[in-house]
Formats: sequence, structure tokens, C-alpha cells
Amino acid sequence: DTGVSQDPRHKITKRGQNVTFRCDPISEHNRLYWYRQTLGQGPEFLTYFQNEAQLEKSRLLSDRFSAERPKGSFSTLEIQRTEQGDSAMYLCASSLYASGEYEQYFGPGTRLTVT
Amino acid sequence: GESVGLHLPTLSVQEGDNSIINCAYSNSASDYFIWYKQESGKGPQFIIDIRSNMDKRQGQRVTVLLNKTVKHLSLQIAATQPGDSAVYFCAEGPYSGGGADGLTFGKGTHLIIQP
Repeated sequence: DTGVSQDPRHKITKRGQNVTFRCDPISEHNRLYWYRQTLGQGPEFLTYFQNEAQLEKSRLLSDRFSAERPKGSFSTLEIQRTEQGDSAMYLCASSLYASGEYEQYFGPGTRLTVT
Repeated sequence: GESVGLHLPTLSVQEGDNSIINCAYSNSASDYFIWYKQESGKGPQFIIDIRSNMDKRQGQRVTVLLNKTVKHLSLQIAATQPGDSAVYFCAEGPYSGGGADGLTFGKGTHLIIQP
């Protein structure tokens, strides 16, 4: 399968714990995006990278959220001191930023439940 | 099929009929629009996109119409099939960024195909 992959698919954690999610984009894609989706809503943009550079992070929900893409390939999204309101689906997408190519391809998501 | 009002959460159509899903966007500066399909438990799947310099674009069984005057976007699906049952989201983004920046999603319409 050459699509976007995310790990884990499901995560249950207790309030106050830290969690980290991983996203592996489509191999030739240079842009990687993180979104959050709550039940019944559309995805909400959080941050994105071009190669290893994080070009937008003002939309991260709080300073408890951080993302990295150290080698310009896979990315991780970390949430520190989780709260019940963090329960949601966290989606990763990738795209090839080149002339005429703007489609963002989404992974299956990581569903986070904070108890 | 039938035309639906904006923000209607559910649209039910008979298999084989045409369906029209509508969407209003808010940012007049947006110049890149996309329709995504999301099945239960999966990430959004790209369907079709359109730039603001166009008012219509056709794909396989799908057509997207853009009316910039009233900031309205619609997705027409011809000859609906059971596999078309899903939630459909419109999304908008800045073309100046190559549509590669974060997308803003609408709330979605749940399309149900009746046998």
C-alpha cells in the first residue's frame, strides 16, 4: 500500500498523559499536514511541513500540541498533558507541492480517546 | 435527485438517481475548492477540485460547480451507486499557496443511497 499511513489507529489514554502519533506520507510527497476531526465535523487544520520545515503552526490548538518532521519524511504529533477535550480523530495528509499538483491525500487517522 | 438547502446534514436519494450536494464558503479570498468523500472509519478521499478561474469542472460521474458571486459550491453525482454512500465535505484553500496550505472544511453532508 503506497498511501498515507498512520500509527496507531486507536489510542486510549488517561487524562494528563502524553501521547505521540506517527504519520508516514506518500513517499515522493514533500508536504505533510495534520488535521483534527471531532465527531460530526469536518477536519480542522493544525499545522503543516514542507520537507522538514514547519511552515505554519499558529493553528495548533495550544502549546500542549507540537509536531516534528525531522528528516522530511515521517512526522509525529505529540499532545502533552492530555485533556478529555482532546478526544478526536487526528488525520494526516500529504501532497506533492509542484506545478499543478495540489491534492492532499489523507491517511486513515488515529482516533484518540482521553478518559 | 433533488437539490438540497445549504448545510442540510443528510441527503437521501434513490440508487440510479442524480444527487446534488451544496456548500457555502465564507472566505472570498479563497480560490481553490475541493470536494472530499469520507466513509465511516476512513480518512477523507479526494473527489474533485476547482480553481476560482473556472465555474465548472467534470470528472467521472461527478461535476463541481462554482458560483463566486454568491460564494456557493455544489457537487453533482450522476447515477448514484451504493458505494457513493458517505459524508461529503467541501473544503476551501488559498490558490496563491498552491492549495497546499491548510484547507478549511465545511461541516459535511451525509449522502444515503436508497436501494
